Amino acid sequence: DTGVSQDPRHKITKRGQNVTFRCDPISEHNRLYWYRQTLGQGPEFLTYFQNEAQLEKSRLLSDRFSAERPKGSFSTLEIQRTEQGDSAMYLCASSPGTRRKGNYGYTFGSGTRLTVV
Amino acid sequence: AQSVTQLDSQVPVFEEAPVELRCNYSSSVSVYLFWYVQYPNQGLQLLLKYLSGSTLVKGINGFEAEFNKSQTSFHLRKPSVHISDTAEYFCAVLAQGGSEKLVFGKGTKLTVNP
Repeated sequence: DTGVSQDPRHKITKRGQNVTFRCDPISEHNRLYWYRQTLGQGPEFLTYFQNEAQLEKSRLLSDRFSAERPKGSFSTLEIQRTEQGDSAMYLCASSPGTRRKGNYGYTFGSGTRLTVV
Repeated sequence: AQSVTQLDSQVPVFEEAPVELRCNYSSSVSVYLFWYVQYPNQGLQLLLKYLSGSTLVKGINGFEAEFNKSQTSFHLRKPSVHISDTAEYFCAVLAQGGSEKLVFGKGTKLTVNP
């Protein structure tokens, strides 16, 4: 169990550029989540996948944001035409899919800190 | 919809003193409850969770929390804190049988002073 890995750890980009982040979940976890955390706030839900299917999206996920999990393993989050308001920590988490076992509690990665200048 | 209120944004304490971090929630359905800790520039680590059963739950690093349904609270406690407990603590809820969305409070910054 190597935990949830996120890459890159830090990204500085100019306003208007596109950025892509990657998340590798714990291998046996089939649920994957993206959250955004701005300074002084708790994490806010963006979207979640079960295997390769994107099952829930927040209204926070504007048209400039797209997330994929093509083979049900790693996931990418792309932000197009970045704005200064996109500056935040982007957190990925994963969890097992078997709720019957009461196996709740996500495992979070260390996050990608995005700064838009 | 669910919401979480963490009543204190900052809690300073001295080393070896007891501490309580307060959390209240609002929900129209039953929820599961969680406490996470976040060290600087890191992700969140699960401290403990309440799913069902005994209302007093014990977690890692000597922390415990008590679920109070009538007061819709889930306060986190530790009888004696260490310098290494300095971190941000987040309370979160998850609706039972519904959305996969964890709803977090704004966090409480715990600072343990020598």
